Amino acid sequence: EPEVTQTPSHQVTQMGQEVILRCVPISNHLYFYWYRQILGQKVEFLVSFYNNEISEKSEIFDDQFSVERPDGSNFTLKIRSTKLEDSAMYFCARRDYGDIQYFGAGTRLSVL
Amino acid sequence: DQQVKQNSPSLSVQEGRISILNCDYTNSMFDYFLWYKKYPAEGPTFLISISSIKDKNEDGRFTVFLNKSAKHLSLHIVPSQPGDSAVYFCAATPGSNYKLTFGKGTLLTVNP
Repeated sequence: EPEVTQTPSHQVTQMGQEVILRCVPISNHLYFYWYRQILGQKVEFLVSFYNNEISEKSEIFDDQFSVERPDGSNFTLKIRSTKLEDSAMYFCARRDYGDIQYFGAGTRLSVL
Repeated sequence: DQQVKQNSPSLSVQEGRISILNCDYTNSMFDYFLWYKKYPAEGPTFLISISSIKDKNEDGRFTVFLNKSAKHLSLHIVPSQPGDSAVYFCAATPGSNYKLTFGKGTLLTVNP
């Protein structure tokens, strides 16, 4: 079962800079999710996106985060002003009609 | 907030023997449970799942058991192979449209 493709695989940025992480679905999926995993910690839910709208978001997903599907294909996560504690692996996942979420390989974000 | 707990950070077994990975949960609203396998520098890969209406689901060498009264599930791998060495995450959700809540993971090492 194909997952999603995430770019870049590794992003290095300076604190305070904006970053955009991209998720490219193989086909036209319905539901998209962003999760992150800080080194040594559990995978945490950030936000879910359905029909071009946010359907659920966590406490972590504050005003500095945003998601969109700008061209009906790519699904992006933007962090407006990165902080050191945003350093983590960010995973995009997709789901169709079943219960299973399929994950991409992730983007490693390093904030210096 | 540890709604999903994997109390064993690591497990080491011999090739050919059984691996048993355990997971406990506290949220009675969880209705669907999934196991993911994760290799370093890759995203979580779906392995097997179980609905709360079942107590067992089997797929080849992998079997998941669910004990709802004890709020406990386990993943059995028989026979274990060196290629099974990875981090295994237990995840739970109240239903399809909702986020996954992950445990911290268990690092399984299968020794040849």
